[in-house]
Amino acid sequence: ILNVEQSPQSLHVQEGDSTNFTCSFPSSNFYALHWYRWETAKSPEALFVMTLNGDEKKKGRISATLNTKEGYSYLYIKGSQPEDSATYLCAPYNTDKLIFGTGTRLQVFP
Amino acid sequence: SQTIHQWPATLVQPVGSPLSLECTVEGTSNPNLYWYRQAAGRGLQLLFYSVGIGQISSEVPQNLSASRPQDRQFILSSKKLLLSDSGFYLCAWSWASGYSDTQYFGPGTRLTVL
Repeated sequence: ILNVEQSPQSLHVQEGDSTNFTCSFPSSNFYALHWYRWETAKSPEALFVMTLNGDEKKKGRISATLNTKEGYSYLYIKGSQPEDSATYLCAPYNTDKLIFGTGTRLQVFP
Repeated sequence: SQTIHQWPATLVQPVGSPLSLECTVEGTSNPNLYWYRQAAGRGLQLLFYSVGIGQISSEVPQNLSASRPQDRQFILSSKKLLLSDSGFYLCAWSWASGYSDTQYFGPGTRLTVL
């Protein structure tokens, strides 16, 4: 079973702070890494799909990097806003399915 | 555009009762369909996926089953619920099942088994 770890489990930041969190996964047999954002009372929403070592993706104030050789990805949020409050899930693709981590729960206080 | 529906939104069922959760997708044809469960403190776990009508792959042995009677309909069932079946159930679809294919999730069903 693929072991996917996300840290920290939860994070509380003030509005305007920048923050980042980590997704760790086995580096062998890597195909792709997916990031999702899951807001309370909503459906998980796709943020990024990353496939290449050194990949960097950006969507507004959110960006992500990928290191497939050492098996980790960082998600960064610049100038956090209350609407960024959500659980952020990463999911490496293994064999024929996504394996989800337990997520990092981010709360941004005004 | 594509939309995915799930119902019911919440469900409270006694142990030993049957279960039927339904998921439908609009605006696409022959989607890949998925059932996930999130138990308390756990990540999303893939339960079943389907690449076509009548084609179901099971990921985890359990007392749940899935069926795909129509192209855009995916049903999760159980004959007798267990306490451990409690959780949040999400249906998802994707265009294909490749490693870079995004999955699009429905609103989910919260199931409490008492």
